[in-house]
Amino acid sequence: ETGVTQSPTHLIKTRGQQVTLRCSSQSGHNTVSWYQQALGQGPQFIFQYYREEENGRGNFPPRFSGLQFPNYSSELNVNALELDDSALYLCASSLSGQGRKGTEAFFGQGTRLTVV
Amino acid sequence: AQSVTQLDSQVPVFEEAPVELRCNYSSSVSVYLFWYVQYPNQGLQLLLKYLSGSTLVESINGFEAEFNKSQTSFHLRKPSVHISDTAEYFCAVRSGSARQLTFGSGTQLTVLP
Repeated sequence: ETGVTQSPTHLIKTRGQQVTLRCSSQSGHNTVSWYQQALGQGPQFIFQYYREEENGRGNFPPRFSGLQFPNYSSELNVNALELDDSALYLCASSLSGQGRKGTEAFFGQGTRLTVV
Repeated sequence: AQSVTQLDSQVPVFEEAPVELRCNYSSSVSVYLFWYVQYPNQGLQLLLKYLSGSTLVESINGFEAEFNKSQTSFHLRKPSVHISDTAEYFCAVRSGSARQLTFGSGTQLTVLP
């Protein structure tokens, strides 16, 4: 059983640029969630994808967008980067549907994004 | 709306001493509760979870947490800590209908020799 993998592990971008982060779900999982963890804080929910559609969104602007592919892998795209976007971005996969409730999310190692 | 409060941002404790990391949540509906651990420069690892049933849940490495509905708490305890337990610990809640986990701000546990 493979775990959740994210790429790249580290990234430096300039303010105003665009970035794409990638996530491969754990085998058998159909739901992907993205979180932003600023330094010294707990993770904040960005959005969730289930069956290739956005399934819930946190308090993040539209320049944060995502995709989920048929193999359940996912991308997080951020346009017009701002300095405050510097953070650890975490991807989490889980299994939803079929009456499942409360299943835990398994997290990847994260991508450390630095905006300069 | 769901929220989580971790009352202590830093907890220093000597090796082999007991420790309690406090977590209180706020939710108007039934909840699922989780503790995650984060080591430096790594992602989150699930430590233990409460979904239903027994209010006392245990992890494989000696941690336990008790769900207290009347006090809306889910405190994490370990009777004897090791140096290797040094890490950031996050309490998280997911209400029955919510899509996402809501995390507390974390507690840095530092075990001193």
